[in-house]
Amino acid sequence: AQSVTQLDSHVSVSEGTPVLLRCNYSSSYSPSLFWYVQHPNKGLQLLLKYTSAATLVKGINGFEAEFKKSETSFHLTKPSAHMSDAAEYFCVVSSGYNKLIFGAGTRLAVHP
Amino acid sequence: DGGITQSPKYLFRKEGQNVTLSCEQNLNHDAMYWYRQDPGQGLRLIYYSQIVNDFQKGDIAEGYSVSREKKESFPLTVTSAQKNPTAFYLCASSASIAPAGNEQFFGPGTRLTVL
Repeated sequence: AQSVTQLDSHVSVSEGTPVLLRCNYSSSYSPSLFWYVQHPNKGLQLLLKYTSAATLVKGINGFEAEFKKSETSFHLTKPSAHMSDAAEYFCVVSSGYNKLIFGAGTRLAVHP
Repeated sequence: DGGITQSPKYLFRKEGQNVTLSCEQNLNHDAMYWYRQDPGQGLRLIYYSQIVNDFQKGDIAEGYSVSREKKESFPLTVTSAQKNPTAFYLCASSASIAPAGNEQFFGPGTRLTVL
């Protein structure tokens, strides 16, 4: 069975500093992995996805994630945080028939 | 503009009443989904539909019902049997169920509060 663990429920960074949001997954076969972002009271927007091509995946707004099979990790990074990055971020694994399994989310706060 | 619309944005219901949440997409997607989101939790799948006139239960279907009479519409009814219906409800669609890497596009959500 697939599962996702987001290791931090809250992350706080200063504007202009790097962002690291951690995600570990469990899957019985080669997974598809996603990061979605949700701003308050809004729907979810796809940041990036991994589907067994390049292990370093670049997404929108300067985010990227690296798939590490040996560590079963898919951490999300950004070199320099912006105030507009403050939101909730979900790591997601796709099971068969495109059923998405969501992590509990990481709330990112960005301080001036 | 292509996308997914959900209405209403906010909905209040008295206990014991059924209520229907609307979801419409103009992306020509075959697959549609309903999720429930509770504070501090990820999304949980209620129902999904691969094609018109077909739908399947997700992980938390009890107390909910759906229909898929048209490709672009996938309404969700929250029945009085749902014991804790207050939540944020999100509708999504994707081009198809398979392959597993198909992106799901999300609507803006409906916040349901039971008084």
